[in-house]
Amino acid sequence: GQQVMQIPQYQHVQEGEDFTTYCNSSTTLSNIQWYKQRPGGHPVFLIQLVKSGEVKKQKRLTFQFGEAKKNSSLHITATQTTDVGTYFCAGPTNAGGTSYGKLTFGQGTILTVHP
Amino acid sequence: KAGVTQTPRYLIKTRGQQVTLSCSPISGHRSVSWYQQTPGQGLQFLFEYFSETQRNKGNFPGRFSGRQFSNSRSEMNVSTLELGDSALYLCASSLEGAYYEQYFGPGTRLTVT
Repeated sequence: GQQVMQIPQYQHVQEGEDFTTYCNSSTTLSNIQWYKQRPGGHPVFLIQLVKSGEVKKQKRLTFQFGEAKKNSSLHITATQTTDVGTYFCAGPTNAGGTSYGKLTFGQGTILTVHP
Repeated sequence: KAGVTQTPRYLIKTRGQQVTLSCSPISGHRSVSWYQQTPGQGLQFLFEYFSETQRNKGNFPGRFSGRQFSNSRSEMNVSTLELGDSALYLCASSLEGAYYEQYFGPGTRLTVT
């Protein structure tokens, strides 16, 4: 079955440093979704990328979707303490030829920001 | 628009008991998915319901079951609870399913003693 791998599993940074998490799928994805879960909270949708090579920005966050649509990255510039949390990528697959797919999440990257 | 709600928020059960968790999706969303989240295993997909039909099922034993009602509200049931079932159970609603953004509820924290 489809696997979605994320690295690193943990990242500790000083406030102001940059942060990147990488997501790799064993199969080609129709889209990639990113979520953030604050400590004690629930995952919150950040963004969805659909096109090959797509790059989207949200303030200090930059999301990329690989040309082969099998990998993606999330880059945060100049981290702040409010960026603390776990970042998940997720990709839908339609194994079995269904039209509705099944969403598989990566293991997540836990980001700690030291002030 | 109201968000996804889950009840109860916290639950303590003993081994062998059964439990039912409830999820009310965002109005207009027909897809409801359930996930189990544990520190060691991340977000594990349990099942997805769409218009009262189970469309997808994860790799969980038959003790885990669910259903969806005509108003899209969903329930999941775990029978014969085991210690390893202790986890945060999250439900997520979306317009049509996996290809669309998911809106998660706050989760139900289940502790099995």
